[in-house]
Amino acid sequence: GNSVTQMEGPVTLSEEAFLTINCTYTATGYPSLFWYVQYPGEGLQLLLKATKADDKGSNKGFEATYRKETTSFHLEKGSVQVSDSAVYFCALQLRGSNYKLTFGKGTLLTVNP
Amino acid sequence: SQTIHQWPATLVQPVGSPLSLECTVEGTSNPNLYWYRQAAGRGLQLLFYSVGIGQISSEVPQNLSASRPQDRQFILSSKKLLLSDSGFYLCAWSLDQGYEQYFGPGTRLTVT
Repeated sequence: GNSVTQMEGPVTLSEEAFLTINCTYTATGYPSLFWYVQYPGEGLQLLLKATKADDKGSNKGFEATYRKETTSFHLEKGSVQVSDSAVYFCALQLRGSNYKLTFGKGTLLTVNP
Repeated sequence: SQTIHQWPATLVQPVGSPLSLECTVEGTSNPNLYWYRQAAGRGLQLLFYSVGIGQISSEVPQNLSASRPQDRQFILSSKKLLLSDSGFYLCAWSLDQGYEQYFGPGTRLTVT
């Protein structure tokens, strides 16, 4: 079956630190990959996406590269801010599956000033 | 532009009581609609999805049900709530041809 594995949190960083949240996947086929962010008490927002191998998604200083050879989509940011504190979800989606998303369990990030 | 609404925002219900959560989408036609549940400390679990009026697919057997009486309306229901039904319920939509899913603000349900 299809699955997404994220590094377990929580992750606590100081402001301006470098962030990496690991994500690997298992899929029957070639999925599209996503990172969603959930701020406290809110729904999910799409952060970035990549639809094919070697694509790099980027938004708000965050980046992730679709690595087919390692089945990974790690999220990175060079300098985090307090406002980046949130839960981050990695997800995959396969065509022909009515676009259902399979999510990882989420990683809580806390950035301290 | 498209918007998605969910209500109520929070709900506290006793065990055994009925449930009705509503989700509506504006600004698009014939969207795919989804209900997810996020239990405390866990990831998101897809409960139901719908590709059209009256068409509902269930992902997880449970005491919940879903209905789509109108093109842009998606309802999550239960006849008798269980304690294990507590969680954060998220509705989402996507274009039939698209990839991204767009999420509503969620409903926090506490069953006491």
